[in-house]
Amino acid sequence: DQQVKQNSPSLSVQEGRISILNCDYTNSMFDYFLWYKKYPAEGPTFLISISSIKDKNEDGRFTVFLNKSAKHLSLHIVPSQPGDSAVYFCAAGTLGAGNMLTFGGGTRLMVKP
Amino acid sequence: DAGVIQSPRHEVTEMGQEVTLRCKPISGHDYLFWYRQTMMRGLELLIYFNNNVPIDDSGMPEDRFSAKMPNASFSTLKIQPSEPRDSAVYFCASSPLGQGYYGYTFGSGTRLTVV
Repeated sequence: DQQVKQNSPSLSVQEGRISILNCDYTNSMFDYFLWYKKYPAEGPTFLISISSIKDKNEDGRFTVFLNKSAKHLSLHIVPSQPGDSAVYFCAAGTLGAGNMLTFGGGTRLMVKP
Repeated sequence: DAGVIQSPRHEVTEMGQEVTLRCKPISGHDYLFWYRQTMMRGLELLIYFNNNVPIDDSGMPEDRFSAKMPNASFSTLKIQPSEPRDSAVYFCASSPLGQGYYGYTFGSGTRLTVV
């Protein structure tokens, strides 16, 4: 049973436009959510996180939105750049669960020049 | 800090052979995680340790998989005997206590191919 799902395996966006990556979860006990970015032949790197008590967190070109009632979060990248082309994973964690994270399956973002 | 160091980067082995993957976490991190990435299942947690003690190994697929952390600076993931379906990228990650919100630091991974 996948508790965190990314239903779009890939997304293609023109440079300069907005990229929106989506993630759904089933466990209402999650306390925080994260997005990771992964380039080929490298490990995932932490991008941005959001607490379950917030509905938005912004860091430069990256904004994460959380809709708890819909159990949905999204990552917005504005403007998109070719260097953003990577696989993006969303993840969720629970306080007191020993830092353990549950990851989605990933979405491959391609930003075309 | 050199980050999380995994070795080898690539491993090709024949079915039935024993494979050992190695990980050196970031010094001072209390948690160590082993993940596996496949096309079908994305990133799945295999096992994690807290202060060298295994806490949750429910993700370990079979008895063929075992993991150890003999000290705070070293962990191994062993597959014996290996099978072609074990082919995947295996990641090690580490994290300080109570820092889950700020994410783990992952190693560069070991790409395992079992032929």
